[in-house]
Amino acid sequence: LAKTTQPISMDSYEGQEVNITCSHNNIATNDYITWYQQFPSQGPRFIIQGYKTKVTNEVASLFIPADRKSSTLSLPRVSLSDTAVYYCLVGDLASGGYNKLIFGAGTRLAVHP
Amino acid sequence: NAGVTQTPKFRVLKTGQSMTLLCAQDMNHEYMYWYRQDPGMGLRLIHYSVGEGTTAKGEVPDGYNVSRLKKQNFLLGLESAAPSQTSVYFCASRPPGLETYEQYFGPGTRLTVT
Repeated sequence: LAKTTQPISMDSYEGQEVNITCSHNNIATNDYITWYQQFPSQGPRFIIQGYKTKVTNEVASLFIPADRKSSTLSLPRVSLSDTAVYYCLVGDLASGGYNKLIFGAGTRLAVHP
Repeated sequence: NAGVTQTPKFRVLKTGQSMTLLCAQDMNHEYMYWYRQDPGMGLRLIHYSVGEGTTAKGEVPDGYNVSRLKKQNFLLGLESAAPSQTSVYFCASRPPGLETYEQYFGPGTRLTVT
């Protein structure tokens, strides 16, 4: 599984767009990029997943450049409730089908009023 | 549909005591996982199961045992608890297939070993 690097923490204000970039220089051809969100005292929650270009859902967008060595999670117009830890994970869906996730330390996002 | 539930929510053990954490899911998922999360850190995989009657080791399996006698339940056992096992334990499940990385997590069990 490819190693990922992301900022330890970020600060933002309500209503702003937040972009969290994850570096994964050793990403393999079959690897997908997945982001999870974790609130205090809760289990992680799946946000979004992508392979290349752009993916958008009702919560976030995921931008992946052509070389796939990085990815950016974009949260539009954040609110206080978006304060959480965000994890970037990279892995091969077909690696035994077991989907063993490797979590790093994540990015702690603090949204201020 | 309760999703993934964990029992108990909190527990305090003394060194050397044993206990079992129960994870239950009602989504008919094949794969189940046990993670631990230490303060300020990401989750680390302890053991996982790809189906009823099967288990496998993850990153940090030492000191833990698991069993998957029924598809909906995944048990994590600590035979002789140590202070280093003080942590928050999360269970997760996911359906089979290669379309998604989405795992569904339970609310966690906070374990303190004194």
